[in-house]
Amino acid sequence: AQSVTQLDSHVSVSEGTPVLLRCNYSSSYSPSLFWYVQHPNKGLQLLLKYTSAATLVKGINGFEAEFKKSETSFHLTKPSAHMSDAAEYFCASNTGTASKLTFGTGTRLQVTL
Amino acid sequence: DGGITQSPKYLFRKEGQNVTLSCEQNLNHDAMYWYRQDPGQGLRLIYYSQIVNDFQKGDIAEGYSVSREKKESFPLTVTSAQKNPTAFYLCASTRGTTNTGELFFGEGSRLTVL
Repeated sequence: AQSVTQLDSHVSVSEGTPVLLRCNYSSSYSPSLFWYVQHPNKGLQLLLKYTSAATLVKGINGFEAEFKKSETSFHLTKPSAHMSDAAEYFCASNTGTASKLTFGTGTRLQVTL
Repeated sequence: DGGITQSPKYLFRKEGQNVTLSCEQNLNHDAMYWYRQDPGQGLRLIYYSQIVNDFQKGDIAEGYSVSREKKESFPLTVTSAQKNPTAFYLCASTRGTTNTGELFFGEGSRLTVL
């Protein structure tokens, strides 16, 4: 069975400082991995995805994530946080089975002045 | 603009009543999904449909029903059998019939049982 674990339920950073949101995966197969962002009372939007090509994946809005098989991790980073980045972020994995996209429990990112 | 439209955005229901949430997409996507979101629990799959007139149960289908009579539409009925229906419901779709993970989401419907 596959699963994803988001290690922090809440992260707070100051504007202009780096962002790190952590995700570990557990899968018997090579997974596809995703990060989604959700602003309050909105649907989710895909930030980036890893599908066994380059291990460093660049996404929208300056976010990127690195797939590390040895650590079973797929952490999301951004060099400099902006106020508009405040949202909830979800890591998800998919081993290719139809519709079995497994989501983590989410990390709420707070950005302060 | 192409996208997924969910309605209503907010809905209140009395205990014992069925309620239907609408989901319409004009993306020409084949597969559609319903997820339930509760605080601190992420998203859980209720039902999905890969083609018209066919659908499969997800992880938490009990107390819910769906139909897929048209490619564009995938309504979800929350029945009185659902013991804890208060939640945020998200509809999504993907191109093709398998879930590549690239889901397109609607803006959600928040259901509150009074």
